[in-house]
Amino acid sequence: DGGITQSPKYLFRKEGQNVTLSCEQNLNHDAMYWYRQDPGQGLRLIYYSQIVNDFQKGDIAEGYSVSREKKESFPLTVTSAQKNPTAFYLCASSPLGRDYGYTFGSGTRLTVV
Amino acid sequence: AQKVTQAQTEISVVEKEDVTLDCVYETRDTTYYLFWYKQPPSGELVFLIRRNSFDEQNEISGRYSWNFQKSTSSFNFTITASQVVDSAVYFCALSRNDYKLSFGAGTTVTVRA
Repeated sequence: DGGITQSPKYLFRKEGQNVTLSCEQNLNHDAMYWYRQDPGQGLRLIYYSQIVNDFQKGDIAEGYSVSREKKESFPLTVTSAQKNPTAFYLCASSPLGRDYGYTFGSGTRLTVV
Repeated sequence: AQKVTQAQTEISVVEKEDVTLDCVYETRDTTYYLFWYKQPPSGELVFLIRRNSFDEQNEISGRYSWNFQKSTSSFNFTITASQVVDSAVYFCALSRNDYKLSFGAGTTVTVRA
């Protein structure tokens, strides 16, 4: 079945360490997105990519980095520069075009201690 | 600028009550798409419906129904005879020219047995 796989589901890291969240899709979608969600909050866009080897900052990119070396993969690195990294991270993908919605992964809950 | 407003932060109902979630949007585009997503406690956002700006017919899917009114820029969502499994966060979203979605802040629905 086609879909988006995020791993791991839960992640614990010590403060000051970089951590990479995985996002893989087999839907042949061109665009991929990373969102952050804090408790009781909506979705905030971190980074997005509409083509391989290209990506754009979203609304809250500081302290994060991404790469898009393959169409299927869009990993997110939470760096030590991110002041408050504990959150729920959602990856999504879509075909390019205004009439398409997003398909979401099941999310990664990151806790920094 | 495209913007989505979900004024209701939280709604709590008793099972079998109907619940209506409001969604008001702003856009200058003549062609656009609106979406509703459900986020159950597990975290993954699940697509519920897509509606294009030229189709103002109301839609019903089981206990779910949607009322699209272009004149008031609203795309409201009603759950009839709510059940405990309907407890979730519901997001309304609007397509943008850059192919991204603008999400509302979400409405948390709690259905009590």
